[in-house]
Amino acid sequence: DTAVSQTPKYLVTQMGNDKSIKCEQNLGHDTMYWYKQDSKKFLKIMFSYNNKELIINETVPNRFSPKSPDKAHLNLHINSLELGDSAVYFCASSPGNSNQPQHFGDGTRLSIL
Amino acid sequence: AQSVAQPEDQVNVAEGNPLTVKCTYSVSGNPYLFWYVQYPNRGLQFLLKYITGDNLVKGSYGFEAEFNKSQTSFHLKKPSALVSDSALYFCAVSPPGYGQNFVFGPGTRLSVLP
Repeated sequence: DTAVSQTPKYLVTQMGNDKSIKCEQNLGHDTMYWYKQDSKKFLKIMFSYNNKELIINETVPNRFSPKSPDKAHLNLHINSLELGDSAVYFCASSPGNSNQPQHFGDGTRLSIL
Repeated sequence: AQSVAQPEDQVNVAEGNPLTVKCTYSVSGNPYLFWYVQYPNRGLQFLLKYITGDNLVKGSYGFEAEFNKSQTSFHLKKPSALVSDSALYFCAVSPPGYGQNFVFGPGTRLSVLP
């Protein structure tokens, strides 16, 4: 069973479109995250939710909006996609205590044409 | 501000030789320290962590890491490298507490040559 699953794995779309990436975890964790990994492999946190509540919201354009319908799901909606949004987006989850590791999905590779 | 440095973008080592991937950090207090590995087209996988206690921690796949508080370092090591260890390695720190933000280093690409 996949612990943290993201869909889709690949997403190719045109500039200006709106798209969503879904994430689900079956680990019973309280906290979920979205990260962006750029072409140089730098990993940057975007959002963190704990029990459906937003707890970390880094400097991210308003075009990015996370939604957590329940603590097992954290989706990412992106409006008006731009070329600079091309990256790999990773979802992760953890129990919430900072001494526990995060578990990552395999990523969604977003390519903007 | 919290930061994590991995001074080497790339580490090359011959199979069977020992390997070291370096990590230093700048975080107030006593943070928790982690190493992750990323294989191509995969997410990050947890290798090991330091919380407290013995400065040498052992993790998955024969990896270990040494915590040095005075040097604020947490170097990843393995006594004998395998070609299959070739991957991208990330060091991360997390301040104590609940819901704290992890800070990841820039990553080090390890190439183990046969």
